[in-house]
Amino acid sequence: ETGVTQTPRHLVMGMTNKKSLKCEQHLGHNAMYWYKQSAKKPLELMFVYSLEERVENNSVPSRFSPECPNSSHLFLHLHTLQPEDSALYLCASSQGLGDSPLHFGNGTRLTVT
Amino acid sequence: QKEVEQNSGPLSVPEGAIASLNCTYSDRGSQSFFWYRQYSGKSPELIMSIYSNGDKEDGRFTAQLNKASQYVSLLIRDSQPSDSATYLCAVNYDKAAGNKLTFGGGTRVLVKP
Repeated sequence: ETGVTQTPRHLVMGMTNKKSLKCEQHLGHNAMYWYKQSAKKPLELMFVYSLEERVENNSVPSRFSPECPNSSHLFLHLHTLQPEDSALYLCASSQGLGDSPLHFGNGTRLTVT
Repeated sequence: QKEVEQNSGPLSVPEGAIASLNCTYSDRGSQSFFWYRQYSGKSPELIMSIYSNGDKEDGRFTAQLNKASQYVSLLIRDSQPSDSATYLCAVNYDKAAGNKLTFGGGTRVLVKP
């Protein structure tokens, strides 16, 4: 496996379900990110982790809960989502913060019914 | 609210011509600027970064930055059908605070054979 891998690729969940998105990076990076990409809206930064510590929570509702157990893995735990949360969720990693290029995974397409 | 604005397109370009994409940003103190390319159904990939006023060339791509006018542009020379994608402009407003990019909505480019 190379690069940034996200699973699952597609997820359909009801508003009362609990699910988790997984991201794994094989690049030796030490910073990881969650972005949300909705139709007709720009990419929105959700969370930033550096050296497994959360350094940014961009006013994201508490129904989204991130977890970074180590520098290679990042999770996004989902519960009681709303239909407007349907979007493409992208994970990214970089070597450090500052201006290091972001390497994105292929995303999880989430549909909330 | 820091904003990055792009024309959504589509920008239709004949094969072999120059595609010119523009991006404006709201914060005069912005420090770092990036162009990402996103094919349909795929994740964004970095194609150019630029930090100082002027031009930066990389192969068929040229990024241009004018901080006084708060715009950054991307030129694609000798456009190919494989360049058909959405191009995302991203701005790092405060790299000392971390790699927290603000993205524009993207310009869709269509290169016609």
